[in-house]
Amino acid sequence: AQSVAQPEDQVNVAEGNPLTVKCTYSVSGNPYLFWYVQYPNRGLQFLLKYITGDNLVKGSYGFEAEFNKSQTSFHLKKPSALVSDSALYFCAVRVLWGNNRLAFGKGNQVVVIP
Amino acid sequence: SAVISQKPSRDICQRGTSLTIQCQVDSQVTMMFWYRQQPGQSLTLIATANQGSEATYESGFVIDKFPISRPNLTFSTLTVSNMSPEDSSIYLCSVEVGVSGTGELFFGEGSRLTVL
Repeated sequence: AQSVAQPEDQVNVAEGNPLTVKCTYSVSGNPYLFWYVQYPNRGLQFLLKYITGDNLVKGSYGFEAEFNKSQTSFHLKKPSALVSDSALYFCAVRVLWGNNRLAFGKGNQVVVIP
Repeated sequence: SAVISQKPSRDICQRGTSLTIQCQVDSQVTMMFWYRQQPGQSLTLIATANQGSEATYESGFVIDKFPISRPNLTFSTLTVSNMSPEDSSIYLCSVEVGVSGTGELFFGEGSRLTVL
């Protein structure tokens, strides 16, 4: 079955500095990878996804992520963090065969310090 | 995209009671998904609700505990039955938009249940 690891519990970054949230995955077959963000007391919002094609995908709010097949990673990045980026970030992976389920990582709390 | 309305947004319930959560989508969708997000944890899929057929439950979740209705293509309900404090959680409704399997999920705001 597919699985996702988000190794860090919390990521602290100063406002204006680059932000990276790490994600590694484990699947049999080609992965479909997603990032979601959850603001306090809100549902999850879609940020970006990798299905096929260019390894670097760009998404909402200035975020991007790079698919690295050899390292089985899909790290989320933003060149300059904003205080408003403070939220919970979830990486998720899916394959189109087998149980076809979207497996979520445990989430990373991002705190952007003014 | 899809706009999903969930209610109640939060509730405090007594042990042994049941609560029904409603999910309304602004467009017709084939499948609706119910997730549970326990405090400090990730999302766990409870079941997939298909219109016109029985819901498909994930391992560890049963229909008697989490009955689901899907009367049409824009609405679903999830009932949490005979609640215990362990059921305290956020329950999220979601739908997939786009090509099945590669589309993104849209989520409701969630229903935060506290069971005393």
